[in-house]
Amino acid sequence: DVKVTQSSRYLVKRTGEKVFLECVQDMDHENMFWYRQDPGLGLRLIYFSYDVKMKEKGDIPEGYSVSREKKERFSLILESASTNQTSMYLCASSPGLAGVETQYFGPGTRLLVL
Amino acid sequence: GQNIDQPTEMTATEGAIVQINCTYQTSGFNGLFWYQQHAGEAPTFLSYNVLDGLEEKGRFSSFLSRSKGYSYLLLKELQMKDSASYLCAVRDSNYQLIWGAGTKLIIKP
Repeated sequence: DVKVTQSSRYLVKRTGEKVFLECVQDMDHENMFWYRQDPGLGLRLIYFSYDVKMKEKGDIPEGYSVSREKKERFSLILESASTNQTSMYLCASSPGLAGVETQYFGPGTRLLVL
Repeated sequence: GQNIDQPTEMTATEGAIVQINCTYQTSGFNGLFWYQQHAGEAPTFLSYNVLDGLEEKGRFSSFLSRSKGYSYLLLKELQMKDSASYLCAVRDSNYQLIWGAGTKLIIKP
């Protein structure tokens, strides 16, 4: 079974803090994604990566950065957390571009910024 | 712009059948996905359609009409454990997934 793990299920941070969210997948997947999920909205893509040291902006990259130094690990960084970044953050991975390209999700990190 | 529409919430009875609709307007089409998400958990893959027609997988079926920009997920013999949100997502011409807000399905005994 594909396993995607995220470093924390719940986090509480203060405005202005630097926040690191870690994601690790164990299936040698090429692609990794960071989404945020808010009530009444669909999943929104923050950043994604198709390869080590490669990153692409998604729909809402402002206020976030990412790092992919190793294939299995994709980190999301909030340089200076703000209250509007309170959300559920979901990491996902997938094996390639074509075919039934399902994404496998981690359990999510619920972040509260005070 | 790109848009995925699905009902916010539906209620059905245990043992019955329910159909969850999804309409989409996207720049290109490279497949439509349905995911299930239980409260507080990660989304999990249910089905994939890229050609018109019905795909059946046990109690769950998914239908696609590309000309109408329309899909539905059909759940039969509903069980209490089917209470969850059902997410529709379309892969666009850039191979990015565009997500609907999800349909919360409530199953009553």
